[in-house]
Amino acid sequence: GAGVSQSPSNKVTEKGKDVELRCDPISGHTALYWYRQRLGQGLEFLIYFQGNSAPDKSGLPSDRFSAERTGESVSTLTIQRTQQEDSAVYLCASSSEGLYTQYFGPGTRLTVL
Amino acid sequence: AQRVTQPEKLLSVFKGAPVELKCNYSYSGSPELFWYVQYSRQRLQLLLRHISRESIKGFTADLNKGETSFHLKKPFAQEEDSAMYYCALAGIIQGAQKLVFGQGTRLTINP
Repeated sequence: GAGVSQSPSNKVTEKGKDVELRCDPISGHTALYWYRQRLGQGLEFLIYFQGNSAPDKSGLPSDRFSAERTGESVSTLTIQRTQQEDSAVYLCASSSEGLYTQYFGPGTRLTVL
Repeated sequence: AQRVTQPEKLLSVFKGAPVELKCNYSYSGSPELFWYVQYSRQRLQLLLRHISRESIKGFTADLNKGETSFHLKKPFAQEEDSAMYYCALAGIIQGAQKLVFGQGTRLTINP
């Protein structure tokens, strides 16, 4: 079946602009995660959605970052007033059993000029 | 604090040699541990989880609670094993279920 998809695959933006990154999880997966992967570094947790529970936003680095999820489907990660340090690959993952065995999307490579 | 440490950012071995990717963790409870792998131009994917006690692509990992380690091992490395490997810990952290990743180890198998 279809895996996790993300769009766009690449995004180049100017400093100060807002960007929206989209994630389509695997159908039926109740849990959805966003991570950030800076060049040469590990995965940094950003936010976690589980069903109808309040999202765990503890990983968001600043109030410029926000995310929404519509029911148990698509999620959007928004970065306002982008900065050069926001340049990274943003990964989305979904899971059907809480946080175990996460299925990752291909990522969105964000470049802020 | 809950933490996963992969002490080696880069590891290079020759084809046919044994390989061990180190992972140490700190967690006050019974963790569940995983290894994820990202091959070139592919998405991150689960390699193995400790509760399955399985061998995937010749790799095994044993949870050592005494040493708080979950090292990934393979007796004879192959060129196709070259990839980025992440150790991850799943548990209750700050009241919520979370998966915490290590910084990753880039494994290169030389011919």
